[in-house]
Amino acid sequence: DGGITQSPKYLFRKEGQNVTLSCEQNLNHDAMYWYRQDPGQGLRLIYYSQIVNDFQKGDIAEGYSVSREKKESFPLTVTSAQKNPTAFYLCASSIIGAGDTQYFGPGTRLTVL
Amino acid sequence: KNEVEQSPQNLTAQEGEFITINCSYSVGISALHWLQQHPGGGIVSLFMLSSGKKKHGRLIATINIQEKHSSLHITASHPRDSAVYICAVESNTGNQFYFGTGTSLTVIP
Repeated sequence: DGGITQSPKYLFRKEGQNVTLSCEQNLNHDAMYWYRQDPGQGLRLIYYSQIVNDFQKGDIAEGYSVSREKKESFPLTVTSAQKNPTAFYLCASSIIGAGDTQYFGPGTRLTVL
Repeated sequence: KNEVEQSPQNLTAQEGEFITINCSYSVGISALHWLQQHPGGGIVSLFMLSSGKKKHGRLIATINIQEKHSSLHITASHPRDSAVYICAVESNTGNQFYFGTGTSLTVIP
Protein backbone atom coordinates (compact mmCIF):
# COMPACT_ATOMS: atom_id res chain seq x y z
CA ASP A 1 0.00 0.00 0.00
CA GLY A 2 1.23 3.51 -0.77
CA GLY A 3 1.52 6.06 1.94
CA ILE A 4 3.58 8.11 4.31
CA THR A 5 5.11 6.61 7.43
CA GLN A 6 6.41 8.37 10.46
CA SER A 7 7.89 6.56 13.40
CA PRO A 8 7.75 6.28 16.27
CA LYS A 9 4.34 7.58 17.30
CA TYR A 10 5.71 8.79 20.64
CA LEU A 11 9.28 9.99 21.20
CA PHE A 12 10.86 11.14 24.44
CA ARG A 13 14.18 12.94 24.78
CA LYS A 14 16.27 14.68 27.41
CA GLU A 15 16.55 18.43 27.20
CA GLY A 16 19.63 19.44 25.22
CA GLN A 17 19.77 16.36 23.00
CA ASN A 18 19.25 16.40 19.27
CA VAL A 19 16.61 14.05 17.92
CA THR A 20 15.79 12.99 14.37
CA LEU A 21 12.25 12.24 13.26
CA SER A 22 11.81 9.97 10.27
CA CYS A 23 9.44 10.42 7.34
CA GLU A 24 9.24 8.01 4.44
CA GLN A 25 6.87 8.01 1.46
CA ASN A 26 6.39 5.52 -1.34
CA LEU A 27 3.96 7.67 -3.33
CA ASN A 28 6.68 8.87 -5.71
CA HIS A 29 5.92 12.44 -4.69
CA ASP A 30 8.47 15.12 -5.48
CA ALA A 31 7.59 17.49 -2.64
CA MET A 32 7.79 16.80 1.09
CA TYR A 33 6.99 18.99 4.05
CA TRP A 34 7.43 19.15 7.82
CA TYR A 35 4.88 20.86 10.06
CA ARG A 36 4.61 21.42 13.75
CA GLN A 37 1.34 21.53 15.67
CA ASP A 38 0.97 22.90 19.17
CA PRO A 39 -2.19 22.55 21.31
CA GLY A 40 -4.92 24.91 20.15
CA GLN A 41 -2.93 26.05 17.13
CA GLY A 42 -2.87 25.26 13.46
CA LEU A 43 -0.05 23.73 11.49
CA ARG A 44 3.11 25.74 11.04
CA LEU A 45 5.56 24.97 8.24
CA ILE A 46 9.11 24.14 9.34
CA TYR A 47 10.84 23.06 6.12
CA TYR A 48 9.87 21.84 2.68
CA SER A 49 11.62 20.20 -0.22
CA GLN A 50 10.54 20.08 -3.85
CA ILE A 51 13.40 18.03 -5.21
CA VAL A 52 16.16 15.77 -3.98
CA ASN A 53 19.15 17.59 -2.46
CA ASP A 54 17.23 20.84 -2.16
CA PHE A 55 15.06 22.24 0.62
CA GLN A 56 13.71 25.57 1.78
CA LYS A 57 13.00 27.09 5.19
CA GLY A 58 9.41 27.50 6.24
CA ASP A 59 7.97 29.89 8.79
CA ILE A 60 9.64 28.41 11.88
CA ALA A 61 12.87 26.78 10.71
CA GLU A 62 15.06 28.00 13.56
CA GLY A 63 16.34 25.13 15.68
CA TYR A 64 15.57 22.51 13.03
CA SER A 65 17.50 20.93 10.17
CA VAL A 66 16.53 18.59 7.34
CA SER A 67 18.09 16.59 4.55
CA ARG A 68 16.71 15.19 1.29
CA GLU A 69 19.22 12.68 0.02
CA LYS A 70 16.53 10.41 -1.38
CA LYS A 71 13.18 11.17 -2.94
CA GLU A 72 11.43 8.86 -0.47
CA SER A 73 12.93 10.24 2.73
CA PHE A 74 12.86 13.63 4.45
CA PRO A 75 14.19 13.33 8.02
CA LEU A 76 13.82 16.24 10.42
CA THR A 77 16.37 16.91 13.17
CA VAL A 78 15.18 18.84 16.19
CA THR A 79 18.33 20.39 17.59
CA SER A 80 19.11 21.56 21.10
CA ALA A 81 18.80 25.12 19.79
CA GLN A 82 15.04 24.70 19.44
CA LYS A 83 13.62 26.47 22.49
CA ASN A 84 10.29 24.63 22.70
CA PRO A 85 10.72 21.26 20.98
CA THR A 86 7.79 19.50 22.65
CA ALA A 87 5.08 19.30 19.99
CA PHE A 88 3.28 17.10 17.48
CA TYR A 89 5.22 16.84 14.21
CA LEU A 90 3.52 16.04 10.91
CA CYS A 91 5.18 15.12 7.65
CA ALA A 92 3.42 15.49 4.30
CA SER A 93 4.11 14.97 0.62
CA SER A 94 2.56 16.11 -2.63
CA ILE A 95 2.85 15.96 -6.40
CA ILE A 96 4.07 19.30 -7.66
CA GLY A 97 1.59 20.89 -10.03
CA ALA A 98 -1.36 18.68 -9.07
CA GLY A 99 -3.35 21.18 -7.03
CA ASP A 100 -0.89 20.96 -4.14
CA THR A 101 -2.98 18.37 -2.32
CA GLN A 102 -0.83 17.16 0.50
CA TYR A 103 -0.93 13.70 1.99
CA PHE A 104 -0.06 13.50 5.68
CA GLY A 105 1.68 10.92 7.78
CA PRO A 106 0.33 9.82 11.18
CA GLY A 107 2.61 12.20 13.08
CA THR A 108 5.17 11.89 15.86
CA ARG A 109 4.54 13.27 19.32
CA LEU A 110 7.88 14.53 20.68
CA THR A 111 8.14 15.25 24.40
CA VAL A 112 11.31 16.68 25.88
CA LEU A 113 11.90 16.10 29.58
CA LYS B 1 0.82 17.61 45.07
CA ASN B 2 2.34 16.10 41.93
CA GLU B 3 0.01 14.60 39.39
CA VAL B 4 2.28 11.52 39.19
CA GLU B 5 3.93 9.89 42.17
CA GLN B 6 6.53 7.14 41.87
CA SER B 7 8.02 4.88 44.50
CA PRO B 8 10.61 4.09 45.51
CA GLN B 9 12.86 6.98 44.51
CA ASN B 10 15.98 4.84 44.78
CA LEU B 11 16.30 1.09 44.65
CA THR B 12 19.31 -1.19 44.97
CA ALA B 13 18.90 -4.88 44.19
CA GLN B 14 21.05 -7.98 43.89
CA GLU B 15 21.30 -9.56 40.48
CA GLY B 16 18.44 -11.99 39.96
CA GLU B 17 15.98 -10.27 42.26
CA PHE B 18 12.40 -9.47 41.26
CA ILE B 19 11.89 -5.69 41.15
CA THR B 20 8.70 -3.64 41.34
CA ILE B 21 8.39 0.08 40.73
CA ASN B 22 5.06 1.76 41.44
CA CYS B 23 3.31 4.73 39.90
CA SER B 24 0.15 6.48 41.07
CA TYR B 25 -1.54 9.35 39.28
CA SER B 26 -4.36 11.74 40.02
CA VAL B 27 -5.48 12.96 36.58
CA GLY B 28 -7.63 11.40 33.91
CA ILE B 29 -5.43 9.76 31.35
CA SER B 30 -5.60 8.39 27.84
CA ALA B 31 -2.37 6.40 28.26
CA LEU B 32 0.49 5.72 30.65
CA HIS B 33 4.10 5.30 29.54
CA TRP B 34 7.05 3.66 31.25
CA LEU B 35 10.37 5.16 30.17
CA GLN B 36 13.96 4.04 30.76
CA GLN B 37 16.85 6.49 30.96
CA HIS B 38 20.44 5.24 31.10
CA PRO B 39 23.22 7.43 32.56
CA GLY B 40 24.34 9.88 29.89
CA GLY B 41 22.06 8.26 27.39
CA GLY B 42 18.76 8.88 25.75
CA ILE B 43 15.32 7.85 26.87
CA VAL B 44 13.68 4.69 25.67
CA SER B 45 9.94 4.13 25.80
CA LEU B 46 9.40 0.68 27.32
CA PHE B 47 5.62 0.44 27.39
CA MET B 48 2.50 2.37 26.56
CA LEU B 49 -0.56 1.17 28.47
CA SER B 50 -4.19 2.13 28.52
CA SER B 51 -5.47 -1.02 30.25
CA GLY B 52 -4.41 -4.43 31.49
CA LYS B 53 -0.92 -5.77 31.24
CA LYS B 54 1.96 -5.92 28.77
CA LYS B 55 5.09 -8.06 28.76
CA HIS B 56 8.33 -7.62 26.88
CA GLY B 57 11.11 -10.03 27.75
CA ARG B 58 11.80 -9.74 31.47
CA LEU B 59 9.74 -6.58 31.80
CA ILE B 60 6.07 -6.56 32.75
CA ALA B 61 3.86 -3.48 33.10
CA THR B 62 0.37 -3.44 34.58
CA ILE B 63 -2.20 -0.73 35.00
CA ASN B 64 -5.38 -0.47 37.09
CA ILE B 65 -7.44 2.38 35.68
CA GLN B 66 -9.97 2.37 38.54
CA GLU B 67 -7.25 2.67 41.16
CA LYS B 68 -5.10 5.01 39.01
CA HIS B 69 -2.06 2.88 39.59
CA SER B 70 0.57 1.17 37.48
CA SER B 71 3.49 -1.09 38.26
CA LEU B 72 6.63 -1.97 36.35
CA HIS B 73 8.15 -5.34 37.20
CA ILE B 74 11.58 -6.66 36.24
CA THR B 75 12.11 -10.37 36.65
CA ALA B 76 15.59 -11.89 37.09
CA SER B 77 17.18 -8.45 37.30
CA HIS B 78 20.59 -7.87 35.72
CA PRO B 79 23.20 -5.09 36.15
CA ARG B 80 22.35 -3.80 32.66
CA ASP B 81 18.86 -2.99 34.00
CA SER B 82 20.48 -0.23 36.08
CA ALA B 83 18.84 3.00 34.95
CA VAL B 84 16.27 5.60 35.90
CA TYR B 85 12.70 4.47 35.24
CA ILE B 86 10.14 7.20 34.67
CA CYS B 87 6.37 6.95 34.72
CA ALA B 88 4.59 9.40 32.40
CA VAL B 89 0.86 9.87 31.92
CA GLU B 90 -0.83 11.41 28.92
CA SER B 91 -3.73 13.55 30.03
CA ASN B 92 -7.10 12.89 28.40
CA THR B 93 -7.67 16.65 28.23
CA GLY B 94 -5.31 19.00 26.45
CA ASN B 95 -2.44 16.99 24.96
CA GLN B 96 -0.32 17.20 28.09
CA PHE B 97 2.15 14.82 29.68
CA TYR B 98 2.81 14.60 33.41
CA PHE B 99 6.00 12.91 34.62
CA GLY B 100 6.99 11.16 37.81
CA THR B 101 10.32 12.07 39.38
CA GLY B 102 11.80 8.73 38.40
CA THR B 103 13.12 5.68 40.21
CA SER B 104 16.88 5.17 40.15
CA LEU B 105 17.58 1.43 40.00
CA THR B 106 21.01 -0.09 40.65
CA VAL B 107 21.43 -3.83 40.21
CA ILE B 108 24.56 -5.21 41.85
CA PRO B 109 26.27 -8.29 40.41
